[in-house]
Amino acid sequence: AQKITQTQPGMFVQEKEAVTLDCTYDTSDPSYGLFWYKQPSSGEMIFLIYQGSYDQQNATEGRYSLNFQKARKSANLVISASQLGDSAMYFCAMREGHLEGAQKLVFGQGTRLTINP
Amino acid sequence: GAVVSQHPSWVICKSGTSVKIECRSLDFQATTMFWYRQFPKQSLMLMATSNEGSKATYEQGVEKDKFLINHASLTLSTLTVTSAHPEDSSFYICSARSSYLQSNQPQHFGDGTRLSIL
Repeated sequence: AQKITQTQPGMFVQEKEAVTLDCTYDTSDPSYGLFWYKQPSSGEMIFLIYQGSYDQQNATEGRYSLNFQKARKSANLVISASQLGDSAMYFCAMREGHLEGAQKLVFGQGTRLTINP
Repeated sequence: GAVVSQHPSWVICKSGTSVKIECRSLDFQATTMFWYRQFPKQSLMLMATSNEGSKATYEQGVEKDKFLINHASLTLSTLTVTSAHPEDSSFYICSARSSYLQSNQPQHFGDGTRLSIL
């Protein structure tokens, strides 16, 4: 079964608008972490934001915020005031467990975001 | 911030050649590094976890004799694709975590290697 699901293969948004990229996850471990990465066409993976399962507040990093709904097992990425440079693939990923050895990341299928001028 | 260097960034070689890809953590020590494979328009799939001083842990379906991993120091892991064939053509990307980071800290990725086997 898919542990991380991103249901939007592609999103098209007008510049300066806000955009929400969906991510749902499946785990029975009470301790887990959720990550969002951006992958431009050049291929590098750029870390955007992190949310821990025990975090009480939604994570925010500049124009990025994470809408964490634990009961629904969703961790949607919100990008405010989108810019042309935001066009890229976006991956949601999950790390299960809290022990030092629990470091593996499982990635979703990704969403290709295109910002139109 | 933490930097991971991956080399080479692009390789084209003939079928049957073995190709070595290096992954270095430049400003931190990494007891664990990860190797991923990404086909065009697909997600990253974990191939193996590279542990300094011990054998790598391979994911199900990944041939350990085909993809040799060596993690000889706290700053270097290498992936060797042995006797590469066209179906091995892919984007290979490594990541690393500092030994001293808490579990909520992200992995830092190299820039990836585009491997094309003719």
